[in-house]
Amino acid sequence: DADVTQTPRNRITKTGKRIMLECSQTKGHDRMYWYRQDPGLGLRLIYYSFDVKDINKGEISDGYSVSRQAQAKFSLSLESAIPNQTALYFCATSERGRYTGELFFGEGSRLTVL
Amino acid sequence: LAKTTQPISMDSYEGQEVNITCSHNNIATNDYITWYQQFPSQGPRFIIQGYKTKVTNEVASLFIPADRKSSTLSLPRVSLSDTAVYYCLVGALDNYGQNFVFGPGTRLSVLP
Repeated sequence: DADVTQTPRNRITKTGKRIMLECSQTKGHDRMYWYRQDPGLGLRLIYYSFDVKDINKGEISDGYSVSRQAQAKFSLSLESAIPNQTALYFCATSERGRYTGELFFGEGSRLTVL
Repeated sequence: LAKTTQPISMDSYEGQEVNITCSHNNIATNDYITWYQQFPSQGPRFIIQGYKTKVTNEVASLFIPADRKSSTLSLPRVSLSDTAVYYCLVGALDNYGQNFVFGPGTRLSVLP
């Protein structure tokens, strides 16, 4: 089983609908992140959380919200989806204090907003 | 944040050594250089990290000159399965996740 699991893997929705992408991890890491990737572009940070009570905006947080329900769970919500939020979304984790600061990514959630 | 510049794409043939250079002119004293690999429809995967001189692991080597304004990822004897996008990231480890910027990366195509 994957250490970082994202659900759903694929979702097609309509403009104005509320969507939640969920991420769970079994790595025991404190830090969790949500990234967005558009075709031909790199990854952009949406939100990050260094522990359950710590939530921070990333580079492109407008139109998104998050919830850190537990150390192992970090959800991304689109309150009212719009077509330009069509993208591949990745959840990632990292271990506090780890020398390399290595990010561990999930397999991605592909979202299409019609 | 240290900005990085790397080639958009590169082609190579199986069995060749591939070198991908990344420029990071405004790298800070506390910054490390990290490379990730991403296959289509998968999340990026950590390859190698270094601070200065040379680092080698079972997958790649990372060469960093004394001024640290650039770095070169070296992939020995590439195979078709090395076809992927490679990202160069620069940042302090303590601020790793929040400040690392994944640019467009270098799309490596390995041809038979």
